[in-house]
Amino acid sequence: SQTIHQWPATLVQPVGSPLSLECTVEGTSNPNLYWYRQAAGRGLQLLFYSVGIGQISSEVPQNLSASRPQDRQFILSSKKLLLSDSGFYLCAWNTVEAFFGQGTRLTVV
Amino acid sequence: AQKITQTQPGMFVQEKEAVTLDCTYDTSDPSYGLFWYKQPSSGEMIFLIYQGSYDQQNATEGRYSLNFQKARKSANLVISASQLGDSAMYFCAMRELRDDKIIFGKGTRLHILP
Repeated sequence: SQTIHQWPATLVQPVGSPLSLECTVEGTSNPNLYWYRQAAGRGLQLLFYSVGIGQISSEVPQNLSASRPQDRQFILSSKKLLLSDSGFYLCAWNTVEAFFGQGTRLTVV
Repeated sequence: AQKITQTQPGMFVQEKEAVTLDCTYDTSDPSYGLFWYKQPSSGEMIFLIYQGSYDQQNATEGRYSLNFQKARKSANLVISASQLGDSAMYFCAMRELRDDKIIFGKGTRLHILP
């Protein structure tokens, strides 16, 4: 069966520090992969999506970047975090519907 | 332009009553899919129901049904016989097959009252 792993679950980082969030999928090949951010009590904002290795589409200009070094691995990064980067980050993959990881709650202090 | 609109930021419903959560969408792609997700306070995203743009019948999954009105570009979620455990955020989403993006609405927070 297909599963999606996302880690860490929570993260507290100082302003200006780098960020790396990793998402991996098991049990499927060539999935579409997505990174979303959710501010407290708000909706999901699509940040990046990828339809294949090395193919990244950015939806919103921002302080973040994404990479897909392997078929089932999707990484969200930042060189220098801002306070506004705080939020709940969700990775997802889809066939018909989208399946989500458990999310990472990032607090930038 | 916002592609998914959920006009109800919050709703309060008595337990055992039926609930309709509104969702309208905007797309020029003839091939698309519509989804509803439930997000409890834990943060996890739980898939509820899917409707394809070419599906002739409204989707149903247990107590959930999707009232799909294609001409109106409406995809409302109906929850029958609501339960206390239905209290959560509910998100409507759309996937356009031309680019595989999945876009979410801003959500509706549903409160079920005992």
